[in-house]
Amino acid sequence: AQSVTQLDSQVPVFEEAPVELRCNYSSSVSVYLFWYVQYPNQGLQLLLKYLSGSTLVKGINGFEAEFNKSQTSFHLRKPSVHISDTAEYFCAVRPGDGSRLTFGEGTQLTVNP
Amino acid sequence: NAGVTQTPKFRILKIGQSMTLQCTQDMNHNYMYWYRQDPGMGLKLIYYSVGAGITDKGEVPNGYNVSRSTTEDFPLRLELAAPSQTSVYFCASSSWTSFHEQFFGPGTRLTVL
Repeated sequence: AQSVTQLDSQVPVFEEAPVELRCNYSSSVSVYLFWYVQYPNQGLQLLLKYLSGSTLVKGINGFEAEFNKSQTSFHLRKPSVHISDTAEYFCAVRPGDGSRLTFGEGTQLTVNP
Repeated sequence: NAGVTQTPKFRILKIGQSMTLQCTQDMNHNYMYWYRQDPGMGLKLIYYSVGAGITDKGEVPNGYNVSRSTTEDFPLRLELAAPSQTSVYFCASSSWTSFHEQFFGPGTRLTVL
């Protein structure tokens, strides 16, 4: 079985500051990793995914994440955030041999002016 | 291409009533999922389906039923609504050809009073 821990439930930052949202996972098998974003009153949309290859993955809206197998982490970063990045962010893991995602509990990113 | 659509957007039920949440996708995805989202809890899988005629329980199936008679539709049935089923419900779909990146509907906000 897999599990996902998002280490911060809320992250407040000022506009144009850098941000890192932390995600650790546990799994006994190889996994694929995802970050989803949920804007207020909307469904989830994919931000980026790690399947294989380069451990640095770039996604939409200037976000990127780094897969660290030894530390079982998949932290999300953005060098300069905008007000419009205010949303909830979910880390998710899928085993290589299955289709089901396991989600973390989410991190609410609030960007203040 | 509408993606994943859900109806209704909002619903208020009385305890003991029943209802069906509708979900339709037009991407010809074999896999479909129902989640519930409660504040601070992330997304929990209720039921999923790997193809027409095949369904299976997720983490929190009690109080719900599903059917999958076509590839496109995956309705979720609540038979005897309880206050504990107050939540936001999301339907999603995926395909192995896109490494099971899940596409989400806009959600149904259900309140049971």
